[in-house]
Amino acid sequence: AQTVTQSQPEMSVQEAETVTLSCTYDTSESDYYLFWYKQPPSRQMILVIRQEAYKQQNATENRFSVNFQKAAKSFSLKISDSQLGDAAMYFCAYREGNKLVFGAGTILRVKS
Amino acid sequence: DTGVSQDPRHKITKRGQNVTFRCDPISEHNRLYWYRQTLGQGPEFLTYFQNEAQLEKSRLLSDRFSAERPKGSFSTLEIQRTEQGDSAMYLCASSLVGGPPPGEQYFGPGTRLTVT
Repeated sequence: AQTVTQSQPEMSVQEAETVTLSCTYDTSESDYYLFWYKQPPSRQMILVIRQEAYKQQNATENRFSVNFQKAAKSFSLKISDSQLGDAAMYFCAYREGNKLVFGAGTILRVKS
Repeated sequence: DTGVSQDPRHKITKRGQNVTFRCDPISEHNRLYWYRQTLGQGPEFLTYFQNEAQLEKSRLLSDRFSAERPKGSFSTLEIQRTEQGDSAMYLCASSLVGGPPPGEQYFGPGTRLTVT
């Protein structure tokens, strides 16, 4: 079974600053998908960004970007110009077959 | 609102009672997934359907749990003889086979179950 590890239970960032959330995963597959999901308090989970393993270029979505290191099986999320609305639980996920395997999550707090 | 919806949003029940949750996926999505999320943890896969066929079940889905998607549209998840360990958020997600984007799952708001 694949595993996803998020080693930072909680992170804090000052508004307008940059923060990086870490994620490592374990797989024997060569082609796969990785995701970062955001779960705001008491609200539903939404997809932040997606990375396809066969693409060497790191995915970006506005202020969100990833650092995908395939050999190291690392998939970190960088949030630039942090905003109060970025405060949430962030989950890294790996797609195994037809299901998602999630990490334990990182709580991101944004200080004004 | 054309997103994934779940009902009820909250359910409090006594140990030993049966409960049933409903999920309505995005209308054109043919895959529907159930996950369970306990406090402070990431969601864990329970089962998924493609149209009305249940194609995969996790070992987490004990025989007290049953899920159906009778007409390939909405789905129900039933828990019989609830136990305190069943207290969790039950999340439903849906996706479209072949995308685009491929395999992206859209989540509902969840049903929070509390077993007293």
